Amino acid sequence: AQSVTQLDSQVPVFEEAPVELRCNYSSSVSVYLFWYVQYPNQGLQLLLKYLSGSTLVKGINGFEAEFNKSQTSFHLRKPSVHISDTAEYFCAVRKNTGGFKTIFGAGTRLFVKA
Amino acid sequence: NAGVTQTPKFQVLKTGQSMTLQCAQDMNHEYMSWYRQDPGMGLRLIHYSVGAGITDQGEVPNGYNVSRSTTEDFPLRLLSAAPSQTSVYFCASSGGVAGSIYNEQFFGPGTRLTVL
Repeated sequence: AQSVTQLDSQVPVFEEAPVELRCNYSSSVSVYLFWYVQYPNQGLQLLLKYLSGSTLVKGINGFEAEFNKSQTSFHLRKPSVHISDTAEYFCAVRKNTGGFKTIFGAGTRLFVKA
Repeated sequence: NAGVTQTPKFQVLKTGQSMTLQCAQDMNHEYMSWYRQDPGMGLRLIHYSVGAGITDQGEVPNGYNVSRSTTEDFPLRLLSAAPSQTSVYFCASSGGVAGSIYNEQFFGPGTRLTVL
């Protein structure tokens, strides 16, 4: 079985500062990894995904994430955040041996302050 | 192309009542799933389906039933509502061309359910 741990429940940061949202996963098989974003009162939408190949993955809105197999991590980063990045971010994992079942982390709420 | 639609957006039930949350997608996706979202707990998988006529349980299936008679629809039934089922419910679908397993999930806007 797979599991996901998001290490911070809330991350406050000032506008234009860099941010890192941390995600660790556990799995006995190889996995695909995803980051989703949820803006207030909306459903989730995909930010980026890691399937294979380059461990640095770039997504929408200037976000990127790095897959580290030895540390079983998939941390999300942005070099300079905007007020509009205030949202909840979810890390998710799915085994790559077939099937669509996806397990989500508990979420990290990012607050960007002016 | 409407994507994933859910109805109703809001619902208030009394303990013991039953109801069905509707979910439909128009992307010909094979995989559909239901999640509940509770503060501090992220999204937890209730039930999922890998195609018409095929369903399976997720992490928190108790108190919920599903069926998948068509590719497009995946309703979630609450048999006898309890206050512990107060939550926001999201339906999601995945699949696409040749059933690509690389595709992410597309989410509906959610249903906010309160059980009194």
